[in-house]
Parts: sequence; structure tokens; C-alpha cells
Amino acid sequence: ETVMTQSPATLSVSPGERVTLSCRASQSVGSNLAWYQQKPGQAPRLLIYGASTRATGIPVRFSGSGSGTEFTLTISSLQTEDFAVYYCQQFYDWPPWTFGRGTKVEIK
Amino acid sequence: QLQLQESGPGLVEPSETLSLTCTVSGDSISNSGFYWAWIRQTPGEGLECIGSIYYTGSLYYKPSLMGRVTISVDTSKNQFSLKLNSVTAADTAVYYCARHRYQQFVGLHYFDQWGQGTLVTVSS
Repeated sequence: ETVMTQSPATLSVSPGERVTLSCRASQSVGSNLAWYQQKPGQAPRLLIYGASTRATGIPVRFSGSGSGTEFTLTISSLQTEDFAVYYCQQFYDWPPWTFGRGTKVEIK
Repeated sequence: QLQLQESGPGLVEPSETLSLTCTVSGDSISNSGFYWAWIRQTPGEGLECIGSIYYTGSLYYKPSLMGRVTISVDTSKNQFSLKLNSVTAADTAVYYCARHRYQQFVGLHYFDQWGQGTLVTVSS
């Protein structure tokens, strides 16, 4: 099973700052990686798939990069509505498709 | 606009069977290129893929749940379902259904639409 490790676990950020979240896979997952945003009491929302393709309706301030085992989600200028937990998920190695434990982005 | 809605009991007794249904509206469950997935979330284990089904019946199940889990699809009702038997407290979770997009030509998968989730508690 491919283990997805996200860092940091929590990030304290001020609105307007640039944010970089990391996701590392225990073995190569190619580019088959997705990022999700989850707010309290809500389901996860797809942000990025294929490591770097923004999902429909996702603002351009969200961008993804990486391949193989190292991936990054960048929020260019954090908005108040972006405070949430962010998860990565690999879809390369089944079974099963695994999620990271998440990075919580909180207000500084 | 695609919507997915989970339904089923919120409380299940230990050793019994958890049964949930996801009703899909705004899209046909028989559309090619889409699987239909169940995911659960717990504070301890985080997000966990339970399995995905194609309308033809092609299935993926998480190995650790095989033998206990059944996912099925009813194209006439535009629904798919989850059954998990012999439940324990460890199966207490928020259960989500989701549309699982598979872009065959590039080999990409992702969960692009999710239901709101339903909390299922296993307790006597």
C-alpha cells in the first residue's frame, strides 16, 4: 500500500500570504495525484487532478506540481475562504487508492 | 447539476449490516468514463477508499474489507449501494458517496463530485 505523507500537519497563515503544502508518496505514483479541500462539516472538494490540472471552477490561485513521489499544492494568495484542511490522494497504486492525513491551514 | 445523496440508518448495532444508498441526480449512472465510489472518514484513520463500481458491475474493493463489503449498482433507479456486514465500532464513520472519474486515455482517476456525507454510528 502506498503511504501518502503530508507536511506540515498544520500551517498558520495570514490572508494574502503564499502557501505551499507538501505531499510525499512512499513509492512513485506518476502524475496520478489529486488534491482536495475540506471545510468543517462538508465533503472534500476536488481542487487538482493529474498532479497539476485544476478542476472545473477552481480559482487560478490554486496550483499543483510534482510527479513521482514529491508533490506540492500552492495557494498564491490565501483568501479567508481557503482556511480548511487539504488532502492529497494517489490513484496509481491499487489496492487501495490512499489519502494523506491532511494539512490544516489555519488563521495566524 | 450533478448531485449525490447518501441515505440509510445512522445507527447500526455491532455485528449487524450497514446499508447505505447513494442516489444520483443530474447525470446517468450508466455514463461511460465514470465509476461510483464509497469513501469513509474517521478521526483515527482519516479518509479511506472503500471501493468503486462501474455500471457494468466492474468493481474495486479495499482488500482489508473484502469478505465484508458489497457495492452494487441499480441503473433503473440511478442509485448505487454499500453493504458492510459484521460491523464493529471501528466502522463508525462519516460515509461519502462520490463520482469517480476515469480518464482512460491518460490513465487518470479522481473523485470529482461528492455527496454531503452521512454519519453512521455502530453501537448497541
